[in-house]
Amino acid sequence: GQNIDQPTEMTATEGAIVQINCTYQTSGFNGLFWYQQHAGEAPTFLSYNVLDGLEEKGRFSSFLSRSKGYSYLLLKELQMKDSASYLCAVINSNYQLIWGAGTKLIIKP
Amino acid sequence: DAMVIQNPRYQVTQFGKPVTLSCSQTLNHNVMYWYQQKSSQAPKLLFHYYDKDFNNEADTPDNFQSRRPNTSFCFLDIRSPGLGDAAMYLCATSNLRNGQETQYFGPGTRLLVL
Repeated sequence: GQNIDQPTEMTATEGAIVQINCTYQTSGFNGLFWYQQHAGEAPTFLSYNVLDGLEEKGRFSSFLSRSKGYSYLLLKELQMKDSASYLCAVINSNYQLIWGAGTKLIIKP
Repeated sequence: DAMVIQNPRYQVTQFGKPVTLSCSQTLNHNVMYWYQQKSSQAPKLLFHYYDKDFNNEADTPDNFQSRRPNTSFCFLDIRSPGLGDAAMYLCATSNLRNGQETQYFGPGTRLLVL
């Protein structure tokens, strides 16, 4: 089968740094996405990794290791508005997008 | 500048009463997707259109149908909604003509079945 594993919920403090991990087992790999989803709203695109390494975009960075089937999303200088679910999704060799269930991130003052 | 638009944002229907959800896009993307998402779960792909070609997921119930009359519009028809169909329905687009696999989502329609 194909699956994406991410923690169900994480808690962090405003101003701190948090790392959300994602591991995947899919039939082939053609890229990995991170999306942010606020409660009751649609997912919004954050990042796309297809090569190993770190991609930095402002306060958010995403890392990929294809050999380990592993990615993480790093959020720096956390703000209250970052409270949301973060979904990891992988494109497999059939160009299907396989979704994780998301990690609910709770930011405390 | 709305790019993927879904109407209505909230839809209430009765058990067994057909309902249609709509999606339109101003991105001129060639692929349009319909997802169902229940609370704290991953989005579940129902079907997608690659240009005019319809692709149904194997486990999508026959109760769900879709129409894409032109590039910009796509509809989701639920013929006889059941209580288990209450969910958020998400429309997304991507531009696979350019190899851009990023999917862009509309705001979603939350369906309530009474």
